[in-house]
Amino acid sequence: EVQLVESGGGLVQPGGSLRLSCAASGFTFSDHYMDWVRQAPGKGLEWVGRIRNKVDSYTTEYAASVRGRFIISRDDSKNSLYLQMSSLKTDDTAVYFCVRVLRGGNYDYWGQGALVTVSS
Amino acid sequence: DIQMTQSPSTLSASVGDRVTITCRASQTIGRRLAWFQQKPGKAPKLLIYQASTLEIESGVPPRFSGSGSGTEFTLTISSLQPEDFASYYCQQLYTYPLTFGGGTRVEIK
Repeated sequence: EVQLVESGGGLVQPGGSLRLSCAASGFTFSDHYMDWVRQAPGKGLEWVGRIRNKVDSYTTEYAASVRGRFIISRDDSKNSLYLQMSSLKTDDTAVYFCVRVLRGGNYDYWGQGALVTVSS
Repeated sequence: DIQMTQSPSTLSASVGDRVTITCRASQTIGRRLAWFQQKPGKAPKLLIYQASTLEIESGVPPRFSGSGSGTEFTLTISSLQPEDFASYYCQQLYTYPLTFGGGTRVEIK
């Protein structure tokens, strides 16, 4: 059974940093691109970024709103995806989902989400 | 960036109604469009990909259908069921940054 489990969410002050993790199981993690998608409270979905697999050199893409502040990484030996967030703003308050990307670019499995609250 | 505009933002309907949600892209995206359903407190669920292909692997029922290409797309629910009251989002997968529509909330009339 495919599972994606996020952890590391919590309360952080503006300007602070936080790292989210996503533990993957039930599939060959190293084969897949992985995305982060977020959702502010009561709002719609926003794509955060993508990390490709080893075949595609672990290259990354980011939304303009997070580029230069967030870094997506992965450790295939640990079947884990990460989102390092720095210089956090109140607008970054959201539930962050990790998502498995299929070969055609579509999503199939999502984690349950991790809530990040940026507030003083 | 490609802007995805969904309409309506809220839709009131009854069980058994035929429901149509529209998603417009600010530039052509071919058929690189997906539709998701999201219920409160849950992760989104893929319904349709490549504009019109039903995600049958996860058991999406055939009352859901998608159509369109280029810049205009629709999601249709042929006969609304109680479990379909939820929010729906489109997403373009044509180019980065990937972008979602603002969402359509389908509520009970």
